[in-house]
Amino acid sequence: GGIITQTPKFLIGQEGQKLTLKCQQNFNHDTMYWYRQDSGKGLRLIYYSITENDLQKGDLSEGYDASREKKSSFSLTVTSAQKNEMAVFLCASSRGGNNQAPLFGEGTRLSVL
Amino acid sequence: GNSVTQMQGQVTLSEEEFLFINCTYSTTGYPTLFWYVQYPGEGPQLLLKVTTANNKGSSRGFEATYDKGTTSFHLQKASVQESDSAVYYCVLGDRGSNYNVLYFGSGTKLTVEP
Repeated sequence: GGIITQTPKFLIGQEGQKLTLKCQQNFNHDTMYWYRQDSGKGLRLIYYSITENDLQKGDLSEGYDASREKKSSFSLTVTSAQKNEMAVFLCASSRGGNNQAPLFGEGTRLSVL
Repeated sequence: GNSVTQMQGQVTLSEEEFLFINCTYSTTGYPTLFWYVQYPGEGPQLLLKVTTANNKGSSRGFEATYDKGTTSFHLQKASVQESDSAVYYCVLGDRGSNYNVLYFGSGTKLTVEP
């Protein structure tokens, strides 16, 4: 079986800091996603990528950059962390195409002091 | 645009009681519909999916019917167990994007008491 690994599991940053989150998958999936999870708001899409070097913006892309240098990895950068921000960032992957159910990693928990 | 509405933020039941979680959606076309479940400290995991209108999906005793007429996809289980305690998300898959961009409801936290 495969796995989606997100690093780090916990991230504490300072206001204004640039922070990078990493995601690796060994399912050989084509499509990868970054979602943000806030308490009581469900998950919202930040970026997704359908293949290596591709990037597509989601509804929440402002304030973030993403990079897909390899098929197996997808990184997300918070360009300027906001004071008192707390959220969980979830990476997912799927084979792409209709009807596929993305698989999720365990998340990176961000706190900004 | 696409949206999913779950009005129940929290549901508390005793073991063996009947579960009903309400979900309605808004979209154009014929989406794929999912229920995901999330346990503490973990990412969401697929519970069930339905790709065709008027079909029913089921898994681990949970059922949901894709009702295009009422744009609903309610989740039911006849008899819950303490181990079912988790957050349940109703999710719409946007076929228009062809890459299964998912739109999540706000989630329903289920607590099952022994």
